[in-house]
Amino acid sequence: DTAVSQTPKYLVTQMGNDKSIKCEQNLGHDTMYWYKQDSKKFLKIMFSYNNKELIINETVPNRFSPKSPDKAHLNLHINSLELGDSAVYFCASSRSARGGTETQYFGPGTRLLVL
Amino acid sequence: TQLLEQSPQFLSIQEGENLTVYCNSSSVFSSLQWYRQEPGEGPVLLVTVVTGGEVKKLKRLTFQFGDARKDSSLHITAAQTGDTGLYLCASNFGNEKLTFGTGTRLTIIP
Repeated sequence: DTAVSQTPKYLVTQMGNDKSIKCEQNLGHDTMYWYKQDSKKFLKIMFSYNNKELIINETVPNRFSPKSPDKAHLNLHINSLELGDSAVYFCASSRSARGGTETQYFGPGTRLLVL
Repeated sequence: TQLLEQSPQFLSIQEGENLTVYCNSSSVFSSLQWYRQEPGEGPVLLVTVVTGGEVKKLKRLTFQFGDARKDSSLHITAAQTGDTGLYLCASNFGNEKLTFGTGTRLTIIP
């Protein structure tokens, strides 16, 4: 059984479109995250939710809106896509929000290409 | 902003050789994690080190945490092709957010 799953795995779209990425975890974790990995493989936190509440909101354009309908799901909606949004987006989860000592479990990533 | 610098950025060696990669910061780590990311996959946690001077072994991988908790190293003995991947160090510097390093892309040549 996949612990953290994301859909879709690949997303190719035109500039200006709106798209969503979905994430689900079946580990019973309280905390979920969205990360962005750029072309140089640098991995940066975007958002974190703990028990459906937003606890980390990095300096991300407000075109990006996360939504957590329940503890097991964290979706990411992106409005008015731009070329610079092209990247791999990873969802992750951890048992709690204690950052550096908790294991974070990552999904397989969604490869977004904006044309 | 805390930065984690990893070196080297790229490393390509023959199967069977030994190697060491490094993670450094100007700030003290509260704890440090090492992740490995294989092509097309998400990162997977290898180890967490917490105490200055700590050494942890995971089969052929040896992780060392600097005494001052500002640096860490990962040593691989007798590298295998399965060790190929992106190695990332990460720390929360005492807060809830995990900051990742710049990464070392390791390629083991058969």
